[in-house]
Amino acid sequence: DSGVTQTPKHLITATGQRVTLRCSPRSGDLSVYWYQQSLDQGLQFLIQYYNGEERAKGNILERFSAQQFPDLHSELNLSSLELGDSALYFCASSPRETLYGYTFGSGTRLTVV
Amino acid sequence: QQQVKQSPQSLIVQKGGISIINCAYENTAFDYFPWYQQFPGKGPALLIAIRPDVSEKKEGRFTISFNKSAKQFSLHIMDSQPGDSATYFCAASPGSGNTGKLIFGQGTTLQVKP
Repeated sequence: DSGVTQTPKHLITATGQRVTLRCSPRSGDLSVYWYQQSLDQGLQFLIQYYNGEERAKGNILERFSAQQFPDLHSELNLSSLELGDSALYFCASSPRETLYGYTFGSGTRLTVV
Repeated sequence: QQQVKQSPQSLIVQKGGISIINCAYENTAFDYFPWYQQFPGKGPALLIAIRPDVSEKKEGRFTISFNKSAKQFSLHIMDSQPGDSATYFCAASPGSGNTGKLIFGQGTTLQVKP
């Protein structure tokens, strides 16, 4: 167990719908990162939050948004879902805003039908 | 310029053999190069990492070789075991400001045959 908790583990939803993925970082970690893993694109960085503030942004679609709450858990919101959004979504956390102690969760598998 | 290119896509090695996975990058601002191991149904786990001021780093059976001038780095798994069968990803950090963003290679699926 990495200490990074992601829920739900699996999610099946229809096109056009909206879902929320949740991530609880390891105790004491202030940074949360979101990645998308698909077969054709590999692991793609989406966004990073540090202590509640957005710190870095990758190729995140406008239909996707994220936030980090005061208790440091984070949510990734995906809306107007398309078939191509089907992927594994990973959360990682680290103690500070940089790479030291970077740990991934087990992911949420999203299937859009 | 932000890409990390990884090869081969898949690799089959006999037990006891050496597994070699290669990565290449373009951006000279990258300053941290980790390798991750991922088993089915699990998240990537850090295996070993290197910074560009070092040409080689060894941890147990795993070695990173780094060639700064060629902008290439590789993972060598000595005495490969069936338990090493997994997907391996190289990655690089852009090193721009205070961010933990990682750029990943496409991954290599390793199968070690008994």
